[in-house]
This record gives sequence, structure tokens and C-alpha cells, in this order.
Amino acid sequence: DIQMTQSPSSLSASVGDRVTITCRASQSISSYLNWYQQKPGKAPKLLIYAASSLQSGVPSRFSGSGSGTDFTLTISSLQPEDFATYYCQQSYSTITFGQGTRLEIK
Amino acid sequence: QITLKESGPTLVKPTQTLTLTCTFSGFSLSTSGVGVGWIRQPPGKALEWLALIYWDDDKRYSPSLKSRLTITKDTSKNQVVLTMTNMDPVDTATYYCAHVTTDFLDYWGQGTLVTVSS
Repeated sequence: DIQMTQSPSSLSASVGDRVTITCRASQSISSYLNWYQQKPGKAPKLLIYAASSLQSGVPSRFSGSGSGTDFTLTISSLQPEDFATYYCQQSYSTITFGQGTRLEIK
Repeated sequence: QITLKESGPTLVKPTQTLTLTCTFSGFSLSTSGVGVGWIRQPPGKALEWLALIYWDDDKRYSPSLKSRLTITKDTSKNQVVLTMTNMDPVDTATYYCAHVTTDFLDYWGQGTLVTVSS
């Protein structure tokens, strides 16, 4: 199985901050990496697919980069509605999710 | 407009078999490239992928749960059914189904909480 490791597990930040979340795969997954946002009591929402493609309707302050084993999700200027848990997911070999990164208000 | 909704029991007893149905609209599971997947999330924990079925009946399962899972589709009813055998309290979770495009899950159901308890 391909393991996905996110860092940090939790993060405190303020509105307007630039935030980066990292996801590392246990082996190369090319660009088969997607990012999701989940708010409490809600289903996850797709933000980024294929490592760097922005899903339709997602604000441009979200961006993704990386290939191979190392990937990042960046939020350029945090908004109040961005405080949530973020998951990476690989689809190179079946599907695996990372353990999540909880983004909290400082 | 693509929508999905999960249905099934909210409470099952240990050792029982869980059957969940995903009823969807806005797409056809006979369209090339389309799939439906199941994902679960124990309370306060991370997402865990369970199974996936594609338009051509290709089926994929989580290696750790493969022996307990079966996924099927009924294209005429726009439904995908997941069965999980030998339920245990650790299987208590919210179970989601999702529309799959190529390699990502772009539309999700609201989820259904299944509790395993005697």
C-alpha cells in the first residue's frame, strides 16, 4: 500500500496568513494527488486534482504543487471560511488518504 | 446537477453484515470513465477509502478490507451497493459514497452514520 503522510497534523493561523500543508507519499505517485477540504459535520470537498489543477468553483487563493513523492497545498491569504481539515489523497495505486491537517484559528 | 445519497441501517450488531446503498442522479454509471466509490470516517478520525466500481464493472477494494467487502452496481436504478461482512464496533463510522471522475472524488453524498453495537 502507498502511505500518505501529511504535515503538520494541526496548524494555527490567522486570517490573511499564507499557509502551506505538505503531503508525502511512501513511493512515487507522479501527479496522482488530490486535495480535499472538510468542515465539521460535512462531506469532504474537492479542491485540487492532479496535484495542481484547481477544481471548478474553488477560490484561486488555493493552489497545489509537487510531483513524485512531495506535494504542497498553499492557501495564499486565509479567509474565515478556510478553517477546516484538509486531506491529501493519492490515486496512483488504488486510493489512500493522508491523516488530515486541522487548520485552526489563532 | 450530480447528487448522491447514502441509505442503510443506522445500527447493526457485531458479526452482522452491513448493506449500504448509494442512489445517485445527474450522471450515468454506463458512461466511460465514471465510477462510484465508498469512503468511511470513524468519529473524529481520518477518511478511509473502502471500494470503487467503474462504468465497465471494474472493481477495486481496500487491501486491508478486501475480504469483507463487495461492491455492485445497478445501472438501471442508478444505484451502487456496498456490503461489509462481520461488522465490529471499530467499523462505527460515517459512510460516504462519491462520484469518481478519472482519479478523483468530485461529488460526495452527505454521509450516513452507522453504529455497530449490541
